[in-house]
Amino acid sequence: GESVGLHLPTLSVQEGDNSIINCAYSNSASDYFIWYKQESGKGPQFIIDIRSNMDKRQGQRVTVLLNKTVKHLSLQIAATQPGDSAVYFCAETPNTGNQFYFGTGTSLTVIP
Amino acid sequence: GAVVSQHPSWVICKSGTSVKIECRSLDFQATTMFWYRQFPKQSLMLMATSNEGSKATYEQGVEKDKFLINHASLTLSTLTVTSAHPEDSSFYICSARPWGQGGNQPQHFGDGTRLSIL
Repeated sequence: GESVGLHLPTLSVQEGDNSIINCAYSNSASDYFIWYKQESGKGPQFIIDIRSNMDKRQGQRVTVLLNKTVKHLSLQIAATQPGDSAVYFCAETPNTGNQFYFGTGTSLTVIP
Repeated sequence: GAVVSQHPSWVICKSGTSVKIECRSLDFQATTMFWYRQFPKQSLMLMATSNEGSKATYEQGVEKDKFLINHASLTLSTLTVTSAHPEDSSFYICSARPWGQGGNQPQHFGDGTRLSIL
């Protein structure tokens, strides 16, 4: 779906634990999905992407899972570190367009 | 690679003045750039899509006469907030996608401009 002006949900985890951040989308035509990390006062930073012909993709300490049946995307961060504290956004784009639409975002706080 | 530079990073000005924000792709060309607005603790809201050599495409509810966009080259787009008022105070972020690369590519973002209108 398109970005909405809702206040951010929050997630707190202990340092070293795994984090799971979820995102729901509504556009069945979306075929490319990205997770971004945004630190305070900065622009979003690319983390990992996945195309609709895949259901899982792994990066360094991060894994993205895509469930097209229920239109759900998740980001898993292994061994969460204090530097992972930020706001995480999912973004989607349909195969017919150029625009990216951002989810509500989740504020992750890592407790040392 | 894929660095996007945005300038200025912070501006304070009086109500009624116009403010220009620049977005540059430093190491790639971009036929399309995007302008977003973000309020505190909220998501990014797409304002407009900036197309090199043609008119920008504005999202519904965004005043094109208020937010002037110019994309004169493959590496530069500008957003001018005309006759700015306190309600225009926000965090403005630009992004760009590399041109000429096949398949889906992520947008790369600048570090945003904090605009405060007194």
